[in-house]
Amino acid sequence: QVQLVQSGAEVREPGASVKVSCKGSGYTFTSDDVNWVRQATGQGLEWMGWMNTHSGNTGYAQNFQGRVTMTRDTSISTAYMELSSLTSDDTAVYFCARGLQDLGRGYYMDVWGKGTTVTVSS
Amino acid sequence: QSVLTQPPSVSAAPGQRVTISCSGSSSTIGKNYVSWYHQVPGAAPKLLIYDNNQRPSGIPDRFSGSKSGTSATLGITGLQPGDEADYYCGTWDSSLSVWVFGGGTKLTIL
Repeated sequence: QVQLVQSGAEVREPGASVKVSCKGSGYTFTSDDVNWVRQATGQGLEWMGWMNTHSGNTGYAQNFQGRVTMTRDTSISTAYMELSSLTSDDTAVYFCARGLQDLGRGYYMDVWGKGTTVTVSS
Repeated sequence: QSVLTQPPSVSAAPGQRVTISCSGSSSTIGKNYVSWYHQVPGAAPKLLIYDNNQRPSGIPDRFSGSKSGTSATLGITGLQPGDEADYYCGTWDSSLSVWVFGGGTKLTIL
């Protein structure tokens, strides 16, 4: 079955960077986008950006421009999200999600990883 | 402040029907298809509705979606205790070229 498996929880100090991975299986990894969405405790979903896994093209939310980098390694069907200059406000669960585009219709996220908890604390 | 506006909470008794609204603009819902996601605490979101009103395989027909102008609505009939969760709408913002989510609606089964 189609699934996205994310890396484990991370703890970082303020000012550091974190890199979270998301491995796709059960489908052709380079056929579909990967999106990254985060959720702070008790808060809603916040979209961070997307990556075309075939071309490597990316698009980032304005809130994260200059601080986030999304990459992939197609040889191991894995996408990565690196966030730098961390502050306590970046403490959240980070999800990856497969993005699908129906021809002539809409875009949506159909399969989600279980999430990776990132804690920023000194 | 989310680009898409949802009521923070809705509630209804088991067996009843509830609707959750999602209000956007001409550059979001007015131009693009809407999807809905369901999330129980501690779990990942799950796709419930895509392309405004399509259900993925495995989603019962108790769940329905509609869109009119710059607003979309999720409907749930025959409410069950397991439906208690947070619900989010999402769509593309054509003017900013970013994806946007609503702020989420907590459904409580009375």
